[in-house]
Amino acid sequence: AQKITQTQPGMFVQEKEAVTLDCTYDTSDPSYGLFWYKQPSSGEMIFLIYQGSYDQQNATEGRYSLNFQKARKSANLVISASQLGDSAMYFCAMREGEDSSYKLIFGSGTRLLVRP
Amino acid sequence: NAGVTQTPKFRILKIGQSMTLQCTQDMNHNYMYWYRQDPGMGLKLIYYSVGAGITDKGEVPNGYNVSRSTTEDFPLRLELAAPSQTSVYFCASSYSTSVVYEQYFGPGTRLTVT
Repeated sequence: AQKITQTQPGMFVQEKEAVTLDCTYDTSDPSYGLFWYKQPSSGEMIFLIYQGSYDQQNATEGRYSLNFQKARKSANLVISASQLGDSAMYFCAMREGEDSSYKLIFGSGTRLLVRP
Repeated sequence: NAGVTQTPKFRILKIGQSMTLQCTQDMNHNYMYWYRQDPGMGLKLIYYSVGAGITDKGEVPNGYNVSRSTTEDFPLRLELAAPSQTSVYFCASSYSTSVVYEQYFGPGTRLTVT
């Protein structure tokens, strides 16, 4: 069974608008962490934002925020005021707390294209 | 700090050849990981290490081997390369004293097996 599901293979957004990238996860571990990474066309993986399962508030980092709905097991990434440089692949990933190796499980990604 | 470095950046192998992908980090991280990313897909874990001398298999270990003799280095060995190993390989590291345990990634190695 997929542990991380990203149902949007590709999305378009107009420059300066907000966009939401969907991520749902599956775990029975009460302690876990959720991550979003950005992969521009140059290929590197850039850490964007983190949400812990016990965090009371949604994480925010500049223009990035994470809409964490624990009961629905969703952790959507919201990018406000999109910029052309936001065009990239975006990956949602999960770390399960009982796993002492802290390895990540990645979704298949969403390709975002920002239109001028 | 250079962070996580990987060499080479690109490599073309013939079927049956072997090679070692190098990974070095200078952040004194105890955890290190190897992932592969097939075209249009997410990353899949090949092997990981929680410290020098300790390694374990991830989701897709077949055809690969690793070693971790020092904290800094975590080489990935491909024996008898096959076309199915054509992929981009990422090395990553993280440290156990971090609250978040985010992983820091190297720039990747693009490998083609023909």
